[in-house]
Amino acid sequence: NAGVTQTPKFRVLKTGQSMTLLCAQDMNHEYMYWYRQDPGMGLRLIHYSVGEGTTAKGEVPDGYNVSRLKKQNFLLGLESAAPSQTSVYFCASSYTGGLALKQYFGPGTRLTVT
Amino acid sequence: GQQLNQSPQSMFIQEGEDVSMNCTSSSIFNTWLWYKQDPGEGPVLLIALYKAGELTSNGRLTAQFGITRKDSFLNISASIPSDVGIYFCAGVNNAGNMLTFGGGTRLMVKP
Repeated sequence: NAGVTQTPKFRVLKTGQSMTLLCAQDMNHEYMYWYRQDPGMGLRLIHYSVGEGTTAKGEVPDGYNVSRLKKQNFLLGLESAAPSQTSVYFCASSYTGGLALKQYFGPGTRLTVT
Repeated sequence: GQQLNQSPQSMFIQEGEDVSMNCTSSSIFNTWLWYKQDPGEGPVLLIALYKAGELTSNGRLTAQFGITRKDSFLNISASIPSDVGIYFCAGVNNAGNMLTFGGGTRLMVKP
């Protein structure tokens, strides 16, 4: 049981390049989330999904797209990377209802955009 | 959006000392959570608080849900080196499916 895994762990992009971050969970969770973490700002929600085939915007969605084609995977895409998107990205998942409060986090992806 | 303010931003203490940190909000939350993040890892849930005034313990950790529902406190007793990390508070929205995180308190423990 691996929990929540993220690939890649590190990535460096040039401005304007695109990439996709993959999150996978093996706990059969309904809800999945993408956060970014910047120094001194805690985690901010980018997008989330309450089930396969559904996505919704979080607090800071601009510049990102997501897809949830399979229940166990949640993809975060950057179509045209900008230096402001340099951050550490965390994926999380949880059960539904009240248990949605208990989110399980992946180890993070450190992205640098030059 | 909603803002959660954590204080202090960082603490450097001696092993064995007790630690207190708090989190305040301009808005009411119905649930408060406390997470710990170790270096290079994702956050891990420590304690969840569901009711105003609630006091909950998890080993050496004790957290309280403020009566006004706009604040929460976390105490760590008899700190040890493995307590090092960043502690985050988080408030849950009314729908129960989104978290708003505070900026974190970085704890450093000197052996």
